[in-house]
Amino acid sequence: SQQGEEDPQALSIQEGENATMNCSYKTSINNLQWYRQNSGRGLVHLILIRSNEREKHSGRLRVTLDTSKKSSSLLITASRAADTASYFCATSDQAGTALIFGKGTTLSVSS
Amino acid sequence: KAGVTQTPRYLIKTRGQQVTLSCSPISGHRSVSWYQQTPGQGLQFLFEYFSETQRNKGNFPGRFSGRQFSNSRSEMNVSTLELGDSALYLCASSLKQGAYEQYFGPGTRLTVT
Repeated sequence: SQQGEEDPQALSIQEGENATMNCSYKTSINNLQWYRQNSGRGLVHLILIRSNEREKHSGRLRVTLDTSKKSSSLLITASRAADTASYFCATSDQAGTALIFGKGTTLSVSS
Repeated sequence: KAGVTQTPRYLIKTRGQQVTLSCSPISGHRSVSWYQQTPGQGLQFLFEYFSETQRNKGNFPGRFSGRQFSNSRSEMNVSTLELGDSALYLCASSLKQGAYEQYFGPGTRLTVT
């Protein structure tokens, strides 16, 4: 089964810096999504990018998708302590039937 | 609009017992999916229900089952609990069936002793 794999596994930065996380996947997708999870709680949907889109923005978030390289990146600009969380990418198969999550990137933002 | 709610939030069970978890989706959402999250395996898809029918199933044994009611509320049942079933069980609802934007509940933390 296909699965997104995030890189790096962990990232520590200072407030105000930018954070970049990458996701690679194995097979063709219908869409790719990014979610945030704060310490053992439910996930929060951040952004969905379709396979025919290359870039999408939402507030301080910027997501890119390169289907030729089967990869995506999530950029958080001007990070805040409240951005401390685990970030997951989730891919769907081409039929869009189910979401498969990666293992996540743990981001720590210190003030 | 109220978010996805899950009950109970915490549960401790003994090996061999069975457990039922409940999920109430966001009003108007007809799709409910269940996921298991463990430190070792990460987030794994269990199954999705849409309009009271199971539409998709992950790679879990038959001990894991679910159902959806006419008001879209869903329950998940795990029979003959094993230690490895200890996990955070997350429910998510969506307007559409399939791999679209999902809204997650806070989860049920199940501990099997």
